[in-house]
Parts: sequence; structure tokens; C-alpha cells
Amino acid sequence: DSGVTQTPKHLITATGQRVTLRCSPRSGDLSVYWYQQSLDQGLQFLIQYYNGEERAKGNILERFSAQQFPDLHSELNLSSLELGDSALYFCASSVEAGSNEQFFGPGTRLTVL
Amino acid sequence: QKEVEQDPGPLSVPEGAIVSLNCTYSNSAFQYFMWYRQYSRKGPELLMYTYSSGNKEDGRFTAQVDKSSKYISLFIRDSQPSDSATYLCAMVGGTSYGKLTFGQGTILTVHP
Repeated sequence: DSGVTQTPKHLITATGQRVTLRCSPRSGDLSVYWYQQSLDQGLQFLIQYYNGEERAKGNILERFSAQQFPDLHSELNLSSLELGDSALYFCASSVEAGSNEQFFGPGTRLTVL
Repeated sequence: QKEVEQDPGPLSVPEGAIVSLNCTYSNSAFQYFMWYRQYSRKGPELLMYTYSSGNKEDGRFTAQVDKSSKYISLFIRDSQPSDSATYLCAMVGGTSYGKLTFGQGTILTVHP
């Protein structure tokens, strides 16, 4: 158990809908990272937050947004969902900003029907 | 062409075998190299973290980096059924600290 928690474990929704994925980092970690894992694209970096501020962005779609709250938990919002958004979404955390030693949560499996 | 290439396998070996997992990369800016293990329906778990060219050993695992050839490897000695998982290489460098770039992952099965 990495100490990173993610909810929900599974999410099934329809195209065009909006969902929110939640992540709580390990105790003491200030940085949160979001990744998407799909069969065709593999594991891809989406966005990073450090102590409430956005620090880095990857290939994150404009329909996706994230934020980190004062208690350091983070939410990833996915809107206008498409079939291709079906994937595993992982959150990772680290003590420092831009750390290469990241601890991953168990993921949220999103299915868009 | 992807920045990081990794043979997806699957790779099936008998218990006790030496396993070799490999990745090649094209981005010369990559400086830090990691291997993650991912069990089915779980998140990736950091196994090895290296910086310089050469070998790094941790128990039954050895990570090897050859920056001149842009090639990294993970060797698993005396493989066990509990090593059955997907192994992902990851790398980062330049000004992109924290933005890990992953290979596709190699599915490994160690059978008794």
C-alpha cells in the first residue's frame, strides 16, 4: 500500500457526462501528479500540482481540469466525456515538486458508454 | 515514433530463470531512469531508480543504463511466480522533472 488513496475505484458513465476523480496524497507529500493509462497510449502524464499550484502540464485535454485543495487532496474533472476517455486514471504523490520518485495510488477505472 | 520504446511481450519464463527487460529511448535529455512494477488492477510501484550509466543492484534486481546507446535494462535473477506483473520503464530529464515518460510495459509471467 503506497499510502495514496483514490476514489472511486470504478466509474461507469455515459458520453457527454462530467465526472470528478479524487486523490489524497501520502501524509507529508505536497506534490500530486495525474496520469492516464490506456491500452493504446500506455501511461501518460497529465498534470502536476505542488502545494495548491499547478506546476507542469502534459498532454491534458482542454475538457479535463484539475485542482489541489488547501488540505492537499486533488480532484481531476473530466467533462464532455467521449468513449476514448475510458481508461485507468492514476494519481501519484511525492514530497518535493517535480520529484522522480513518485508513489502511485490504486487508480480509478473510468468506463464511458 | 515514441520517445520510449519497450517490447510489450508477453514474456513467459520458468521459475528460477534470469529475466531481461529492455527499453530504448530517443530523447538525449533523459537523465533519470526508473523501473516500475504493476500488478494486475494495482498502481505502479517504484522498483529501481538510477541516474548515471552503469549498473545498480538491489537484491535480485539489477538496473543497467547505457546512455551512449540510449538503452536501459532490468535484470531479474532467480525469478519467482510473485514477479509476474507488468514492468514499466520510465524516464525524465531536461526541465521536465516529475513528468515521467513511460514505456508501454512488458507483461511478465513466471510459471512454477
